[in-house]
Amino acid sequence: GAGVSQSPRYKVAKRGQDVALRCDPISGHVSLFWYQQALGQGPEFLTYFQNEAQLDKSGLPSDRFFAERPEGSVSTLKIQRTQQEDSAVYLCASSTRSALQETQYFGPGTRLLVL
Amino acid sequence: KNQVEQSPQSLIILEGKNCTLQCNYTVSPFSNLRWYKQDTGRGPVSLTIMTFSENTKSNGRYTATLDADTKQSSLHITASQLSDSASYICVVTPTSVKAAGNKLTFGGGTRVLVKP
Repeated sequence: GAGVSQSPRYKVAKRGQDVALRCDPISGHVSLFWYQQALGQGPEFLTYFQNEAQLDKSGLPSDRFFAERPEGSVSTLKIQRTQQEDSAVYLCASSTRSALQETQYFGPGTRLLVL
Repeated sequence: KNQVEQSPQSLIILEGKNCTLQCNYTVSPFSNLRWYKQDTGRGPVSLTIMTFSENTKSNGRYTATLDADTKQSSLHITASQLSDSASYICVVTPTSVKAAGNKLTFGGGTRVLVKP
């Protein structure tokens, strides 16, 4: 079956522009995570959804970052007024159940470059 | 300070040779430790998973070890192939979501380049 997909794969934005990144998790997966990965670093947690509920958004770096999953499947990460420091790969992952011990399946990521 | 430290940051090996990657962690208590492989331009893929009571786990040419007393894990790659060129990330899952939030703790990764 299909894995986690993300779109777009690459995004170039001018500083100050708003962007929206999409994640299609594996069908039926309850949990969805967003991560930010800087070049040469491991992923950093941004936010977590259980179905449509955003249970943890403690990793979002500022109020310019907003995530939603209105129907408990597709999720969108929105970044308003992008800054150069937002340049990174944004990874989405999903897992079958809500336990943190469950295997997370990652998408290919969206590489964002803010000029 | 990151609670999961990996070494080396990068290494180059010749095809067919073996190598060992290290992971030191301070996350405690933890429920499991995973090694992920991340190819360039791809998301991480789970290679091995070990609970705190397991010492070793193999997946083909990949063998992970865990010493919970010294809080160290290693990933050994045997008879390396060109396709092993990737980043390898050590990830620790905390036991308590309440204490640690919904955060897996990722190491910074080791970038492996296998040359012919």
